[in-house]
Amino acid sequence: KNEVEQSPQNLTAQEGEFITINCSYSVGISALHWLQQHPGGGIVSLFMLSSGKKKHGRLIATINIQEKHSSLHITASHPRDSAVYICAVRSTGNQFYFGTGTSLTVIP
Amino acid sequence: DVKVTQSSRYLVKRTGEKVFLECVQDMDHENMFWYRQDPGLGLRLIYFSYDVKMKEKGDIPEGYSVSREKKERFSLILESASTNQTSMYLCASTLGGPQHFGDGTRLSIL
Repeated sequence: KNEVEQSPQNLTAQEGEFITINCSYSVGISALHWLQQHPGGGIVSLFMLSSGKKKHGRLIATINIQEKHSSLHITASHPRDSAVYICAVRSTGNQFYFGTGTSLTVIP
Repeated sequence: DVKVTQSSRYLVKRTGEKVFLECVQDMDHENMFWYRQDPGLGLRLIYFSYDVKMKEKGDIPEGYSVSREKKERFSLILESASTNQTSMYLCASTLGGPQHFGDGTRLSIL
């Protein structure tokens, strides 16, 4: 049983396309995180959300607490956005749960 | 900026060896975590620590132990390395907000 499910698992897009990655979770949460992992291993925290929407540059993250769902959007995608995007939640019981990641490839 | 430093990027060890993976953070974070990451399985929590000398088992603690003698340092120990412990190991720390990750250690057990 996975507490966090992401879709799609793999995504290929043309440069400039609008991209959406989805995350659904089944536990009560205190926060949801979107992480980015580039080839080579380093992981960077993009967003931490507990409600509403956050925007940083071309990245937008939204969360719907009632539906237990979050989306990560990338506008005007670029090849440097190619990475694995991971959704993670911190439950109200103080446990961390991770999705298996969405591998994004943006083609020039 | 928070810095989480893992002692090695790549490590090759032999079956049966005792292996130490070190992680140091420079922001006085109380919570530190060790994960392993395998293709198709995502990040899985091995152990975490919420204070010096405190540790809690994560999802897959078997075959591992940890040590937190100082707040800034969290060590992962493979008591007797086995080939199924070949993986990418990631350390993270947090005060309660976003987790900050190290660059990872790619460990191969031969």
